[in-house]
Amino acid sequence: GAVVSQHPSWVICKSGTSVKIECRSLDFQATTMFWYRQFPKQSLMLMATSNEGSKATYEQGVEKDKFLINHASLTLSTLTVTSAHPEDSSFYICSAPTANNQPQHFGDGTRLSIL
Amino acid sequence: GENVEQHPSTLSVQEGDSAVIKCTYSDSASNYFPWYKQELGKRPQLIIDIRSNVGEKKDQRIAVTLNKTAKHFSLHITETQPEDSAVYFCAAPTMNRDDKIIFGKGTRLHILP
Repeated sequence: GAVVSQHPSWVICKSGTSVKIECRSLDFQATTMFWYRQFPKQSLMLMATSNEGSKATYEQGVEKDKFLINHASLTLSTLTVTSAHPEDSSFYICSAPTANNQPQHFGDGTRLSIL
Repeated sequence: GENVEQHPSTLSVQEGDSAVIKCTYSDSASNYFPWYKQELGKRPQLIIDIRSNVGEKKDQRIAVTLNKTAKHFSLHITETQPEDSAVYFCAAPTMNRDDKIIFGKGTRLHILP
């Protein structure tokens, strides 16, 4: 089946550091990828839609200058948390559909801890 | 945009009994409704989905029902087993895109021995 590979799985870093998370579609081309954030015991909140070759679209309340998204190829999207602070600590997870209007396939997620 | 409400937030059932989780949605144009199971620290996994051209879909012990008129859909798990313990999320599409989905708040299901 379709596979989305996400790295790293776990990051611990100091406040003020920028952290890059990568998501790759391994056996299909993903023109769109979605980025979610999940705080402990809460639901997945959609942060942004990553579009290959164009700007990402962000959900209301998500700072685009804080969460930089790049989708430079059909198989790779990256999310960079810039100048991360403890309140950015969360589980970040990407997903991609194999085609338009098809179910999403999720990466394994990245647990980000900012000290 | 779409708004998805999910109930209950926590559900405990005796092993072997059935569990039912309910969701409502707001956008009458929505036509695709997936259910995901998430175990602690892991990614959500699609367990079943339904499109609006059918009212019910079943896969072994799992079934989903859809009432488009009332804008609600439900997950039914029969003969529950310990491995069914997890958090379950319903979802519905937003912006007329089946792939861009909004999740309910989740139901933590505990299967009691």
